[in-house]
Amino acid sequence: GQQLNQSPQSMFIQEGEDVSMNCTSSSIFNTWLWYKQEPGEGPVLLIALYKAGELTSNGRLTAQFGITRKDSFLNISASIPSDVGIYFCAGPKFYNNNDMRFGAGTRLTVKP
Amino acid sequence: KAGVTQTPRYLIKTRGQQVTLSCSPISGHRSVSWYQQTPGQGLQFLFEYFSETQRNKGNFPGRFSGRQFSNSRSEMNVSTLELGDSALYLCASSFGRGIDEAFFGQGTRLTVV
Repeated sequence: GQQLNQSPQSMFIQEGEDVSMNCTSSSIFNTWLWYKQEPGEGPVLLIALYKAGELTSNGRLTAQFGITRKDSFLNISASIPSDVGIYFCAGPKFYNNNDMRFGAGTRLTVKP
Repeated sequence: KAGVTQTPRYLIKTRGQQVTLSCSPISGHRSVSWYQQTPGQGLQFLFEYFSETQRNKGNFPGRFSGRQFSNSRSEMNVSTLELGDSALYLCASSFGRGIDEAFFGQGTRLTVV
């Protein structure tokens, strides 16, 4: 089936540093979504990507939909303590439904 | 506008019992998907409902079922609970037409003892 491989599993960084994480798949995805989850909460949508090659920003966050449609990355610039959480990539299994596959997540810790 | 609302937030049940979880989607959203999140398996898709019909189903046993009402609110039921059913159950709502963005509720934390 469609598996999403997300890396790294965890990151420990200093406040102010930039962060980069990525997601790859053996199958093509038509959409990539990036979510952030904080303890005790549901995932919150950060960025949605709909076209191969698309580069989208949301504040200090930038994400790109890979040209091959089999990968995506998320960058966070100038990290701050509230960036702490688990970041998930996700993509729908099929084109026209909401059955999403999720990566295992990248746990981000930011030291002040 | 109000977000996705899940009730209850926390539940403790005994093995063998059954449980019903509720999800109220964002107003105007007609698709509700349910996910199970555990430390070992991550986020796994259970099923999706659109216009009161189950449109997609993941690989979970028949003990997991759901339904959707005419106002798009959805319920998920788990019968004959097992210890391994302890998890955070999340629902996500969207307009449900083509690919669109899904928004999650805070989840229901189910503990089976």
